Amino acid sequence: DAGVTQSPTHLIKTRGQQVTLRCSPKSGHDTVSWYQQALGQGPQFIFQYYEEEERQRGNFPDRFSGHQFPNYSSELNVNALLLGDSALYLCASSSLGQVTDTQYFGPGTRLTVL
Amino acid sequence: AQRVTQPEKLLSVFKGAPVELKCNYSYSGSPELFWYVQYSRQRLQLLLRHISRESIKGFTADLNKGETSFHLKKPFAQEEDSAMYYCALSSRNQGGKLIFGQGTELSVKP
Repeated sequence: DAGVTQSPTHLIKTRGQQVTLRCSPKSGHDTVSWYQQALGQGPQFIFQYYEEEERQRGNFPDRFSGHQFPNYSSELNVNALLLGDSALYLCASSSLGQVTDTQYFGPGTRLTVL
Repeated sequence: AQRVTQPEKLLSVFKGAPVELKCNYSYSGSPELFWYVQYSRQRLQLLLRHISRESIKGFTADLNKGETSFHLKKPFAQEEDSAMYYCALSSRNQGGKLIFGQGTELSVKP
């Protein structure tokens, strides 16, 4: 099991563009959470998907949207990119309802907005 | 408001010295507390969680509800402990989202 995988590894965009980041959860996991980690900061929760629906959302604008597919993989979309969206985007998977629903993190996608 | 505070951005110790990474939290309810670690060029990974009461790689952490703290301790630091450490809280009532502190970089010198 490769664990949580994310693509692409790095991405460079310009202001105003749109970006899609992808995540495949760890085998056996059905829940995907997305986090934004700015330089020098801890990860910040963006949203969580379960059963193809957004289950929870953090304090992020509507420019941030997501999707979960029937195979539990997920996408994070960001529209109208701002310079401040430059960050490492982390995906974490877990199994909702398990007693020990530890979140396992992927390696992240480094997004640079110029 | 739910918040996790790690007061030290950088902690530098010598090999063999005791280590304590501080974590304080504010949360109304019954949170679950975690320590995550990120070694150089590796992904964020769970080090320990308070409900399991385990000692991982010699690290322990005790949840002190009175002081709302969850400090991470190790009696004898090793060079391979050098990494970024993040304290985080979660709650089943909140659906399990993690709230992270800003992180503490631990540097263990030979």
